[in-house]
Amino acid sequence: AQSVTQLDSHVSVSEGTPVLLRCNYSSSYSPSLFWYVQHPNKGLQLLLKYTSAATLVKGINGFEAEFKKSETSFHLTKPSAHMSDAAEYFCVVSGFVWKTSYDKVIFGPGTSLSVIP
Amino acid sequence: EAQVTQNPRYLITVTGKKLTVTCSQNMNHEYMSWYRQDPGLGLRQIYYSMNVEVTDKGDVPEGYKVSRKEKRNFPLILESPSPNQTSLYFCASSLNDRGLGENIQYFGAGTRLSVL
Repeated sequence: AQSVTQLDSHVSVSEGTPVLLRCNYSSSYSPSLFWYVQHPNKGLQLLLKYTSAATLVKGINGFEAEFKKSETSFHLTKPSAHMSDAAEYFCVVSGFVWKTSYDKVIFGPGTSLSVIP
Repeated sequence: EAQVTQNPRYLITVTGKKLTVTCSQNMNHEYMSWYRQDPGLGLRQIYYSMNVEVTDKGDVPEGYKVSRKEKRNFPLILESPSPNQTSLYFCASSLNDRGLGENIQYFGAGTRLSVL
């Protein structure tokens, strides 16, 4: 079975300071991992994805995430927060479904990021 | 432009009045799915479809129906809506083919449903 835990339901940072959004996953097989962002009243947009290539993944808008298998983590970081980063962030695991060529996709509960001027 | 289109964006209805939320994608994706988003619960999958005429239940299918008569369309049907179905709904599509290593999902803008 697969699951995703986002350790903080809400994170608040000052503009210009680093962002860390934490995600831990559980999967029986080597999963694909994603971060999606949802701005207010908008749909979800892919930030970045990990699919068993480089463990440090760079995404859009200066975000990156590091896959750590030993810690089953996929934390999202950004060196310097911008006001436009205020949004809801979802960690997603996608993994093997037995006897199919399709993957099961599971969303974490989300982390709301606030950026203080 | 590649996109997933949901309609309507906002809907207020009353208990028991059947409604349909439409979803259409123009990327020729085989895999489509419906999610509901509720505070603190993230997105939960309602139904998904692996291809035309192939659908299956997700994690929270009760009270919902879907159909996939054409590749591009995947409507969500609430035969008898109830207040606990008040939520934000998203349709998504993807290639979702492990052989291609491609399972990025593309989301519609969402449908906010209120059932009174």
